[in-house]
Amino acid sequence: DARVTQTPRHKVTEMGQEVTMRCQPILGHNTVFWYRQTMMQGLELLAYFRNRAPLDDSGMPKDRFSAEMPDATLATLKIQPSEPRDSAVYFCASGFGDSFLEQYFGPGTRLTVT
Amino acid sequence: QKEVEQNSGPLSVPEGAIASLNCTYSDRGSQSFFWYRQYSGKSPELIMFIYSNGDKEDGRFTAQLNKASQYVSLLIRDSQPSDSATYLCAAARGGSQGNLIFGKGTKLSVKP
Repeated sequence: DARVTQTPRHKVTEMGQEVTMRCQPILGHNTVFWYRQTMMQGLELLAYFRNRAPLDDSGMPKDRFSAEMPDATLATLKIQPSEPRDSAVYFCASGFGDSFLEQYFGPGTRLTVT
Repeated sequence: QKEVEQNSGPLSVPEGAIASLNCTYSDRGSQSFFWYRQYSGKSPELIMFIYSNGDKEDGRFTAQLNKASQYVSLLIRDSQPSDSATYLCAAARGGSQGNLIFGKGTKLSVKP
């Protein structure tokens, strides 16, 4: 059953704390995306990788967000320090080859920063 | 600013009717268009994509694209209560560096 997995599914933390979210793309998929979804802004692209190399992180607040792909089976999104305005659902999605835009989403991490 | 616009709804249709969901985009360079369905509390799920002008049918779903008018639509025939969800439209320039720009979605409610 090929699917994108994300951990944790829920995270509640206090302002100023570090948050790390993890994603395992579908095996064999070489493009990985990080999105953030809020009621106000909808689904926004934060960053994406192809073959583990970052291609675009222009959607990310650079001072506090960082994204990495240490190997082909793991992508991470880190927020340090976290702020209440970071509260959102964070989705990871993956795609393959020339069809990378046909993206498969993980279940998401619901982050609440108090 | 590249944008994809959708009516937020809710769009309410009776069971068995045709639901018509619409989307417009601002970037004339957009080449690829996608419809995702998102149930409440769940992640988006790809249901259709279309690259060429005209219609593309898949089961009860038909995607329509008119690049001259910068307009994309999704028709759902014989709507079922299980189709009740938010439908996200997305556009991309295509090419190896492209990425999706999502609309904020239209909430569809199918009444039994």
